[in-house]
Formats: sequence, C-alpha cells, structure tokens
Amino acid sequence: GENVEQHPSTLSVQEGDSAVIKCTYSDSASNYFPWYKQELGKRPQLIIDIRSNVGEKKDQRIAVTLNKTAKHFSLHITETQPEDSAVYFCAAYLEDSNYQLIWGAGTKLIIKP
Amino acid sequence: DAGVIQSPRHEVTEMGQEVTLRCKPISGHDYLFWYRQTMMRGLELLIYFNNNVPIDDSGMPEDRFSAKMPNASFSTLKIQPSEPRDSAVYFCASTLGRPETQYFGPGTRLLVL
Repeated sequence: GENVEQHPSTLSVQEGDSAVIKCTYSDSASNYFPWYKQELGKRPQLIIDIRSNVGEKKDQRIAVTLNKTAKHFSLHITETQPEDSAVYFCAAYLEDSNYQLIWGAGTKLIIKP
Repeated sequence: DAGVIQSPRHEVTEMGQEVTLRCKPISGHDYLFWYRQTMMRGLELLIYFNNNVPIDDSGMPEDRFSAKMPNASFSTLKIQPSEPRDSAVYFCASTLGRPETQYFGPGTRLLVL
C-alpha cells in the first residue's frame, strides 16, 4: 500500500530564512498531495495542495513542488515569521483505493527570533 | 458556517468507563473521518464514512472501539471499556467529495486515568 515519509522531523530556522520540508510517497498512482499546518493545541488546517497534473503551486510565502518521476513533493516557506511555528503534515491520496489520505509523520517547524 | 463541531472538548474518565465522543460535520459534506492523534503514533485514521455508511474501519484499534453515523449530521465514536492507552486527542473531519480539503473539528482531548 501507499506509504508517505516526511523529513525532517524537526526543523529550526532563523526568522526571515526559508524552510523546506520534504515528503516521498511509494505509489506512483497517487494524484493529490495536501499540506496541513497544526499549531500547538489546535486542529490541522489545509494550507496548500497540489494535484499530479501540476508541478508547482504558490500562495504568497508558501509553495509546493511535485516531482512525479522521483515520487516526492516539498513544502517551501519563504521569509519565515514566528507565526509559521507549527507542525506541518504532508499527505498523499491514492485514487484507486478507498478514499484515504496517507499521512506523513509531521515536521515540527521552529522559527527562532 | 459553524465548521465541524465536536463534543466534549475535554474528557477525563477512569479506566473501565464508557466514553462517547460526538461529531457534527459541516452541512452538506458527504465524508466523515475519525482520527486519533498521539505523540508516539502521530495522526491515525480510525474509520471513515461516506453518506453515513462506514467504508473503512481497518484503523479501529480493537473491539473496544465502535463508531456510528445514524444520519448525515451526527456521528459518535465510543470506547467501552476505556483504558489509559486510549488517552489521545480525537479529531473528526469532514469533506465534500474526494479528494478535497478535510475540515477538522477542534478535537476532543481524552484522558483515561
């Protein structure tokens, strides 16, 4: 079945610098890749997603890239701010299975002032 | 829109007691998901429903857990009897169609003593 690996588990960056979180998936049939942000004590919320017919998507300071050949996708956050501190989860959706998102283990992003 | 509603927000109970968690999905959504989140195991899908019908309950840890969705606006997750290892945050999420954004409720923080 599908498996999603997420790295790193913890990422600490200086405020203003960029942060990159990477995920790999195992099933080439996966076609939808969302990213969720979970602030401490809060619920996960979608911040950006990408479908397999697109290589890159941007929304202000965040962007996601998808490499279908290598089966990996990445979240890029530029000009990081304190409010970016959170746990970020990637996920992959496999069309051919029962509807189920396969989740990565999460990355704790720490923004240092 | 009120979003996904969960109750109670916090539950403290003693081992052996029955626990019932409740969820009201966003009106019109046709998929409902129950997740469990712990530090050790991350975000785990327990069960999901499509149009009130359970589709995949392979994530339900054991027979002590059961879930129902008697109508489109209400679902319950029951643990009987509860054990200390059930302590976690339980999230309910809903979505319209697939694959689309999953909207999470605020979660129920369960502590079993």
